Amino acid sequence: QVQLQESGPGLVKPSETLSLTCTVSGGSVSSGSYYWSWIRQPPGKGLEWIGYVYYSGSTNYNPSLKSRVTISGDTSKNQFSLKLSSVTAADTAVYYCARVGPVPYMDVWGKGTTVTVSS
Amino acid sequence: AIQLTQSPSSLSASVGDRVTITCRASQGISSALAWYQQKPGKAPKLLIFDASSLESGVPSRFSGSGSGTDFTLTISSLQPEDFATYYCQQFNSYPITFGQGTRLEIK
Repeated sequence: QVQLQESGPGLVKPSETLSLTCTVSGGSVSSGSYYWSWIRQPPGKGLEWIGYVYYSGSTNYNPSLKSRVTISGDTSKNQFSLKLSSVTAADTAVYYCARVGPVPYMDVWGKGTTVTVSS
Repeated sequence: AIQLTQSPSSLSASVGDRVTITCRASQGISSALAWYQQKPGKAPKLLIFDASSLESGVPSRFSGSGSGTDFTLTISSLQPEDFATYYCQQFNSYPITFGQGTRLEIK
């Protein structure tokens, strides 16, 4: 049974870079069958897709965040990561990692981690 | 980006009721739609994919239908554990987008 777990700082200062890691257990980020994605949810609001990374290293980002986002994979640690630069209070959210199938819906989710942007 | 509009935004219903939630896409997306259930403080859970395919382990009281621009999620007989927020998501084209959510509350 595949499980995903997000980790990283819960507090980030404005203008700095938010960095999160998702550790995959029970499955492999090297699998060519899946993409590995990040989604976020601001407090009291809906879901926003951030982007994904494929085992080959190819990526796809939401244009609304593309200039600030980097998603990468680490097959040796069976992890994938999110970096979001120049954060503001608008980036305060619960950040989820998720597995995405060949047809891009999210069938396995991490529990989520709350990131607050504040000085 | 394709916009998804859910209606209603919130809904009050009783245990045993039949409930329908609608998701309308700003352009045709074939059957490339999924539905998720989210409970407070929890991650979303996949219910339906490809507009009408039930995810493994999801009770059969949940069903989805539609294609093109208009989709529905139906719960045939509400159970206490079904009170949650429901989101539709399109995967016809990038960026992946979600509806704004429908909050289902106990009457």
